[in-house]
Amino acid sequence: DSGVTQTPKHLITATGQRVTLRCSPRSGDLSVYWYQQSLDQGLQFLIQYYNGEERAKGNILERFSAQQFPDLHSELNLSSLELGDSALYFCASSAFPAGVTDTQYFGPGTRLTVL
Amino acid sequence: AQSVTQLDSHVSVSEGTPVLLRCNYSSSYSPSLFWYVQHPNKGLQLLLKYTSAATLVKGINGFEAEFKKSETSFHLTKPSAHMSDAAEYFCVVSDGSSKGSQGNLIFGKGTKLSVKP
Repeated sequence: DSGVTQTPKHLITATGQRVTLRCSPRSGDLSVYWYQQSLDQGLQFLIQYYNGEERAKGNILERFSAQQFPDLHSELNLSSLELGDSALYFCASSAFPAGVTDTQYFGPGTRLTVL
Repeated sequence: AQSVTQLDSHVSVSEGTPVLLRCNYSSSYSPSLFWYVQHPNKGLQLLLKYTSAATLVKGINGFEAEFKKSETSFHLTKPSAHMSDAAEYFCVVSDGSSKGSQGNLIFGKGTKLSVKP
């Protein structure tokens, strides 16, 4: 158990809908990262937050947004959902804004299915 | 730009035989490299990481990897496979291309390891 929690575990919704995925980092970790794992794209970095501030963006669609709250939990909001958004979404955390040597600890993921 | 290439999408071994999962990296600087494992319906677990200290890195569950700069490789090995090793393995490089992206992880496409009894 990495100490990173994600809810819900599974989410099934319809095209055009909006969903929110939640992540709680390990105790004491200030940085949160979101990744998407899909069959065609593999594992891709989406966005990073450090202590409430957005720090870096990867291949995140404009329909997606995230935020990190004062208690350090993070939410990933996905809107106008399309079939292609079906994927496993991982959250990871690290103690600091990750330097190249730091370890990120991953949560169990949220599996999103868009019908 | 940094990237990793996992040379095999699927490797099958018999229990008790050695495991070799191959990874080549591309980086314009001295990279940090990781191997993560993903068991079915589970999250990602760190096996080991290389951060420019010893080139032979020992990880959990008997796995180790050797950083070879001349070959730009970071292959993962284990002397004797166990049934519980069946999983997907990801070779990962830490993005250091810019200050803003530093530390973000770039994943290979994964190698699925099957272990036959």
